Amino acid sequence: GAGVSQSPSNKVTEKGKDVELRCDPISGHTALYWYRQSLGQGLEFLIYFQGNSAPDKSGLPSDRFSAERTGGSVSTLTIQRTQQEDSAVYLCASSFSPLVADTQYFGPGTRLTVL
Amino acid sequence: AQSVTQLGSHVSVSEGALVLLRCNYSSSVPPYLFWYVQYPNQGLQLLLKYTSAATLVKGINGFEAEFKKSETSFHLTKPSAHMSDAAEYFCAVIIQGAQKLVFGQGTRLTINP
Repeated sequence: GAGVSQSPSNKVTEKGKDVELRCDPISGHTALYWYRQSLGQGLEFLIYFQGNSAPDKSGLPSDRFSAERTGGSVSTLTIQRTQQEDSAVYLCASSFSPLVADTQYFGPGTRLTVL
Repeated sequence: AQSVTQLGSHVSVSEGALVLLRCNYSSSVPPYLFWYVQYPNQGLQLLLKYTSAATLVKGINGFEAEFKKSETSFHLTKPSAHMSDAAEYFCAVIIQGAQKLVFGQGTRLTINP
């Protein structure tokens, strides 16, 4: 079956512009996660959605970052007024259930470059 | 705070040799532990996970890992390396009550012919 998909695969933007990154989780998966992978910080958690519950936003690095999940499926990560330090690969993952040990399946990522 | 330490950012082995990638965790409670692999320009793929059942966990592609509470370790091994194993490997942990994966810094595995 289809895995987690993300779009665009690459995004180049200018400093100060807003960007939107999209994630389509595996059909039927209730939990959705965003992570960021950068050279300096490694892999770090950003935000977690589970069903209709309030998201866990504890990993968002600043208020320029926000995310939403519509209809319990597709998610969009928005970065406002991008900065060069936002350059990274943004990874989305989904899991079937909220059980802690449930496998998180990752998408291929969106590589964001801020000039 | 929960953390994971991977010893060695880069490991190089010969084809056919033993692969050993080290991971140590810090946790005051038994964690759930994972190994993920990332091939170039791809997302992360789960190799195996420990969820407090058997301490020796077998995963895909011939990899296995052993949970050792006394050493707070979860090292990844494969008896015989193959060229296709060249990738970056990440150890990760989740503590009970949390949902997010906390990753180590990763180990890049190179296989020499």
